[in-house]
Amino acid sequence: DSGVTQTPKHLITATGQRVTLRCSPRSGDLSVYWYQQSLDQGLQFLIQYYNGEERAKGNILERFSAQQFPDLHSELNLSSLELGDSALYFCASSGGTSGGANTDTQYFGPGTRLTVL
Amino acid sequence: AQSVTQLDSHVSVSEGTPVLLRCNYSSSYSPSLFWYVQHPNKGLQLLLKYTSAATLVKGINGFEAEFKKSETSFHLTKPSAHMSDAAEYFCVVRTGGFKTIFGAGTRLFVKA
Repeated sequence: DSGVTQTPKHLITATGQRVTLRCSPRSGDLSVYWYQQSLDQGLQFLIQYYNGEERAKGNILERFSAQQFPDLHSELNLSSLELGDSALYFCASSGGTSGGANTDTQYFGPGTRLTVL
Repeated sequence: AQSVTQLDSHVSVSEGTPVLLRCNYSSSYSPSLFWYVQHPNKGLQLLLKYTSAATLVKGINGFEAEFKKSETSFHLTKPSAHMSDAAEYFCVVRTGGFKTIFGAGTRLFVKA
């Protein structure tokens, strides 16, 4: 158990809908990362937050947005969902005393499996 | 630009024989390199990481990797495979800009 929790575990929804995925980092970790894992694209980095501020952006679509709250949990919002958004979405967290350095180990949650029908 | 190439999509070994999973990277800066393992229907677990200290890095479960700057490689090895090692392995690079880039993954099969 990594200490990172994600809810829900599974989500089934329809095209055009909007969903919110939630992540609670390990106690004390200031950085939160979001990833998408699909069969055709592999594991893609979406976005990183550090202590409430956006730190880095990867291949995140404009229909997707994220935020990190004062209690450090994070939410990933996916809107106008398409069939191709079906994937496993992982959250990871890392210690932040180094300011979210590249050397930080990221601890991954179990993921949320999103199915868009 | 940074990139990671895992040279084999699948590797099959017999139990008790050595494991070699190959990874090459491209980076304009000194990279931090990681190997993660993903067992079926599970999250990712860190095996080991290189952060510009010793070039030979030892990880969990008997795995180790050697950073070779001249070859831009970070291959993962284990002297003796166990059935429980069957999983997907990801080589990961992080460089300036804080982006994390995953390789495509190598699926390791271990035969009894």
